[in-house]
Amino acid sequence: QVQLQESGPGLVKPSQTLSLTCSVSGDSMTNDADRWNWIRQSAGKGLEWIGQIEASGYTNYNPSLKSRVTISADLSRKQFSLILNSVTDTDTAVYYCARRGRRGGWSFDFWGQGVLVTVSS
Amino acid sequence: DIQMTQSPSSLSASVGDRVTITCRASQGIRNDLGWYQQKPGKAPKRLIYAASTLQSGVPSRFSGSGSGTEFTLTISSLQPEDFATYYCLQHNAFPLTFGGGTKVEIK
Repeated sequence: QVQLQESGPGLVKPSQTLSLTCSVSGDSMTNDADRWNWIRQSAGKGLEWIGQIEASGYTNYNPSLKSRVTISADLSRKQFSLILNSVTDTDTAVYYCARRGRRGGWSFDFWGQGVLVTVSS
Repeated sequence: DIQMTQSPSSLSASVGDRVTITCRASQGIRNDLGWYQQKPGKAPKRLIYAASTLQSGVPSRFSGSGSGTEFTLTISSLQPEDFATYYCLQHNAFPLTFGGGTKVEIK
């Protein structure tokens, strides 16, 4: 059974950098048919896909966030990370990591429990 | 971006009712659609993938249909544990996009 777990600070000051890590168990993360994703959910904007990374390191980002987002992976530690720069209060949300891939029909089949990140001074 | 218009945004129903939720895509997405159920404080849980394939372990009262631009999630006989918010997701094109959600409440 694949499990994902987000970790990181729950409070970030405006203009600073949000940094989260997703730890994966039950999967090696090396299958090139899988994609490792970040998604967020705020009251104002519902569910929003942030971006994804493949085992090769190739990334895709939502254009609405692309200028501020970096997703990276450390396959040896079975982790992938999200960095979001220059945050404002509109970045306050629950952040989820999730897997999607060929085995799961390409929609998100496994999700982390989510972590609430509040942007506030 | 592909816009996913979900309707209704909320509905009230009774246990045993048949419930239908619709998602319309702003352009054709083949069958690249999933349906999710979310309860308060929890991550979304996948119910349906590839528009009509039931996720393993999900009760058979849930079904999905559609292709192209119009999709439907049906709950054949609503159970108490089904009161939740439901979302569709298109993964045909980047950026991946979700519908706005349908909150199913107890009548």
